[in-house]
Amino acid sequence: GAVVSQHPSWVICKSGTSVKIECRSLDFQATTMFWYRQFPKQSLMLMATSNEGSKATYEQGVEKDKFLINHASLTLSTLTVTSAHPEDSSFYICSATDRPNQPQHFGDGTRLSIL
Amino acid sequence: AQTVTQSQPEMSVQEAETVTLSCTYDTSESDYYLFWYKQPPSRQMILVIRQEAYKQQNATENRFSVNFQKAAKSFSLKISDSQLGDAAMYFCAYRSHTYFGNEKLTFGTGTRLTIIP
Repeated sequence: GAVVSQHPSWVICKSGTSVKIECRSLDFQATTMFWYRQFPKQSLMLMATSNEGSKATYEQGVEKDKFLINHASLTLSTLTVTSAHPEDSSFYICSATDRPNQPQHFGDGTRLSIL
Repeated sequence: AQTVTQSQPEMSVQEAETVTLSCTYDTSESDYYLFWYKQPPSRQMILVIRQEAYKQQNATENRFSVNFQKAAKSFSLKISDSQLGDAAMYFCAYRSHTYFGNEKLTFGTGTRLTIIP
């Protein structure tokens, strides 16, 4: 149980394009989803927290207009990197939880490479 | 703000031996959760073990156990009978106890564990 699916697992695109990453909870209702960014050989840094039906809460230093997060249903959250540039290249990981104080379940991550 | 510190960037252990990974944290809260996550080369984060701060008893999951010292704000992970599949990056993480607030995880910088056959 508690499976989180992330898609795509790897994407390469040209600078200036927008990229959408999906995060789905397959067997539970995710009331809260989290988006993390991980640079090579570094830790995970929280980008934003999203609750179903509400606007995402972004961490300090994360551009809201750059990283658009939508959590329209209890099983799906999307992260859109708008007008992506090479410095946006990173590993993006989502996680989800179905109720307060329960462990977060992580997706497999998406490797984003901007040429 | 809470911080999590892992002072060992890399550790290695012989297969079947025991290894302990260190983690310290800083918080002014009295109720919180601590976690150890494992990230193998596949990059998926896997929950290894979880500890509630209000529980004095150390959590145990098969070969994995923790030494939770609340006063010292220390949370080490012991892996017994190390196996090749234990090779991974291990992250210590902190989370506040809350009902409707922000439940974000604060991660340490990680310890890369190598298992020597």
